[in-house]
Amino acid sequence: QQQVKQSPQSLIVQKGGISIINCAYENTAFDYFPWYQQFPGKGPALLIAIRPDVSEKKEGRFTISFNKSAKQFSLHIMDSQPGDSATYFCAASIEGYGGSQGNLIFGKGTKLSVKP
Amino acid sequence: DVKVTQSSRYLVKRTGEKVFLECVQDMDHENMFWYRQDPGLGLRLIYFSYDVKMKEKGDIPEGYSVSREKKERFSLILESASTNQTSMYLCASSSDRDSSNYGYTFGSGTRLTVV
Repeated sequence: QQQVKQSPQSLIVQKGGISIINCAYENTAFDYFPWYQQFPGKGPALLIAIRPDVSEKKEGRFTISFNKSAKQFSLHIMDSQPGDSATYFCAASIEGYGGSQGNLIFGKGTKLSVKP
Repeated sequence: DVKVTQSSRYLVKRTGEKVFLECVQDMDHENMFWYRQDPGLGLRLIYFSYDVKMKEKGDIPEGYSVSREKKERFSLILESASTNQTSMYLCASSSDRDSSNYGYTFGSGTRLTVV
């Protein structure tokens, strides 16, 4: 049973466009939703995270939108740049699930290519 | 700059060999994790540890074991390597989830090929 479903699997966007990656989750108790960015040959790095007490969080060109009722959250990359080309992972967690600390449950990733 | 260091970027091992993947973190993090990453399958948790000497199975522990003798070091052991264990292995660490800077820090990975 896949707890966090991420889409699309791959995405091609023109430079300057908006990249949108979506994730849906099943466990309504999840209380932490991060996004990770992974460049080729590197490990994933935390990009931005949100908790369900807010509906949106923005850091620079990156925004998380959170819809609690729909059990969905998404990453928006405004003014996408070729340097944003990477694989993006969403994740979710709740204390006590998958371990007492609440291990992150990852989506399967989205490979983003931004064309110049 | 805080980091998680994995001892090898690339490894080639023969079927049946015992393989050790080492991971060291310098952030005094309590929690450490081993994942494998395969195309189309994302990140799958092998083992994790919340404290020294403590270990718990993740989603795919079969064929693997771990050791955490010191807080900063978490080792993944392939008891008898098989070709289906060819993969990218990622180590991560984190503070407790209540901390203000909670988040996973990943190493750069070890690409293991078993021939």
